Parts: sequence; C-alpha cells; structure tokens
Amino acid sequence: GENVEQHPSTLSVQEGDSAVIKCTYSDSASNYFPWYKQELGKGPQLIIDIRSNVGEKKDQRIAVTLNKTAKHFSLHITETQPEDSAVYFCAAQRNYQLIWGAGTKLIIKP
Amino acid sequence: GAVVSQHPSRVICKSGTSVKIECRSLDFQATTMFWYRQFPKQSLMLMATSNEGSKATYEQGVEKDKFLINHASLTLSTLTVTSAHPEDSSFYICSARDAGGTSTEAFFGQGTRLTVV
Repeated sequence: GENVEQHPSTLSVQEGDSAVIKCTYSDSASNYFPWYKQELGKGPQLIIDIRSNVGEKKDQRIAVTLNKTAKHFSLHITETQPEDSAVYFCAAQRNYQLIWGAGTKLIIKP
Repeated sequence: GAVVSQHPSRVICKSGTSVKIECRSLDFQATTMFWYRQFPKQSLMLMATSNEGSKATYEQGVEKDKFLINHASLTLSTLTVTSAHPEDSSFYICSARDAGGTSTEAFFGQGTRLTVV
C-alpha cells in the first residue's frame, strides 16, 4: 500500500524567511497531493493541493511542487509570518483514500 | 469552500458511558464521510469510511462494535463511542467529500476532543 514520509518533524524559521517541508510517497498510482494546516485543537484545513498532471502550483505565499518521477512533493512558504505557526500535514490520495504524512511542526521565531 | 460541522467540540464522559459525535455537511451532499482519530503530536489515523445507506468500512484494528458509525442521510454521519474507557480519550475528526462536485478535496470538521474519566 501507499506510504508517505514527511520531513522534517519540526522546523523553526525566522519570521520573514522561507520554510520548506518535503514528502515522499511510494505508490505511483497516487494522483492527488493535498497539504493541510492544523492549529492546536482544530481540524485540518486545506491550504493547497496539486494533482499528478501538474508540476507546480502557487497561491500567494504558498507553493507546492511535485516530482512524479522521484515521487516527492514539497510545500514552500515564503515570507513567513507568526500566524503560519502550526502543524502541517502532507497526504497522498489514491481512490479517494488519503494516506497522511507524520506532520511537521512549524515554528516561526519573531 | 464547503463546510463540515462537527459537534460537540469537546466532551467529557464517565467511564462506561457512550458518547455520540455528529458530523454534518452544511452546504453539500456527502455520500462518503471519513472518521479519524488523532493522538497528541501524531498524524491522523483513519478509523472507518462511512457510506450513506450502507455499512461502514472499518480499518484493521478498529473495533466496529466499539465505534458505531451511522450514515443515515447525505448530510449526516454519527460516530458513537460505546462503553467508553480512558484509553478512548482522543481527538476525533470527520471529513466529507462533495458527492456532486468534481473536486477530490476532502473537507474536515473542527474535531471533537473526547475525555473519558
């Protein structure tokens, strides 16, 4: 079955700097890759997603890149702000089932 | 985006009692809803897939008699934790897909913090 690995588990960056979180997946049939942000005590919130027929997608300060050959995808957050502090999860989907990464705790230092 | 409402957000119950958690899709119909469990500092663990009008599909290791799922309508799925014990204390999250939409996005509820004392 699908396996998703996410790194790093914790990422601390200075406010204003960029943050990059990386995920790899194992099942080449996975075709949808969402990224979720989860704040303490809340459910996950979709922040950006990418489908397997696209290599890159950007939405303001957030971007996701996908390398199908290498089976990895990354989340890029530029000009980080204090409100970006949260836990971020990547996921890979096949047949409408999401397989989740372990999560990355992003800490934005003032 | 579509809204999924989960209720209650927090519940404390006594050991041995049952607790029902509701998951509603407010502005779309969901033929499929998913129930997750999340332990502190861990990822989401899929417990079961709830299909409207049919039995839920449980993941390996999840007791179906312990975690009763009912998906009686296209906008409501419920998870009942029966005879709750302290080890059932966790964060439970539901998600739903829009049956009539073309998006593959899953919309998540706010989560329910269950504490069994």
